[in-house]
Amino acid sequence: DAKTTQPPSMDCAEGRAANLPCNHSTISGNEYVYWYRQIHSQGPQYIIHGLKNNETNEMASLIITEDRKSSTLILPHATLRDTAVYYCIVRPTNTGNQFYFGTGTSLTVIP
Amino acid sequence: DTEVTQTPKHLVMGMTNKKSLKCEQHMGHRAMYWYKQKAKKPPELMFVYSYEKLSINESVPSRFSPECPNSSLLNLHLHALQPEDSALYLCASSPSGPMGNEQFFGPGTRLTVL
Repeated sequence: DAKTTQPPSMDCAEGRAANLPCNHSTISGNEYVYWYRQIHSQGPQYIIHGLKNNETNEMASLIITEDRKSSTLILPHATLRDTAVYYCIVRPTNTGNQFYFGTGTSLTVIP
Repeated sequence: DTEVTQTPKHLVMGMTNKKSLKCEQHMGHRAMYWYKQKAKKPPELMFVYSYEKLSINESVPSRFSPECPNSSLLNLHLHALQPEDSALYLCASSPSGPMGNEQFFGPGTRLTVL
């Protein structure tokens, strides 16, 4: 039921911004966009989520296009500890709390 | 306490064994989840409990039997598993309700079936 498309892998230089794209062209009006990351063999970690507006927290920024068909997760100053698989998930608000993970993007931060 | 704990961390079992995985949270969350994750694959949803009742079973084989004895505890009973069931089993919890709510994941139990 994954409704997202992400590039399988990306590299980013340490200290630079990492911009991770996600396509969710079939998203409907009541579906949130969530981002999680999973560092090797650990449980997924919540990063950020949004519905329509751009969001920012201490970890990242989420930019959602006006038509909501795509979004970008921005890690402003990537560190080696940001090396992980990043998952973009769309989740409806009215059919329960279940998440269906897509294939994710493996981000490697290079020294 | 903003943590989901899972025990054991690692489990090795034979195909004829019966074992259980345990998940616990004390955040007052009323929704709890089991996911299965094979190597280099994303987590796959198995079961969802809402207010201690099973609300979603993603066509999981009956050799996996979930149980939610109270609002803080979620078990996954395993019986007659196959080697292909070897995977990382993740538990998660979230506040119940229709609004956007993040899920908090535990560290997982690494299961090996011999």
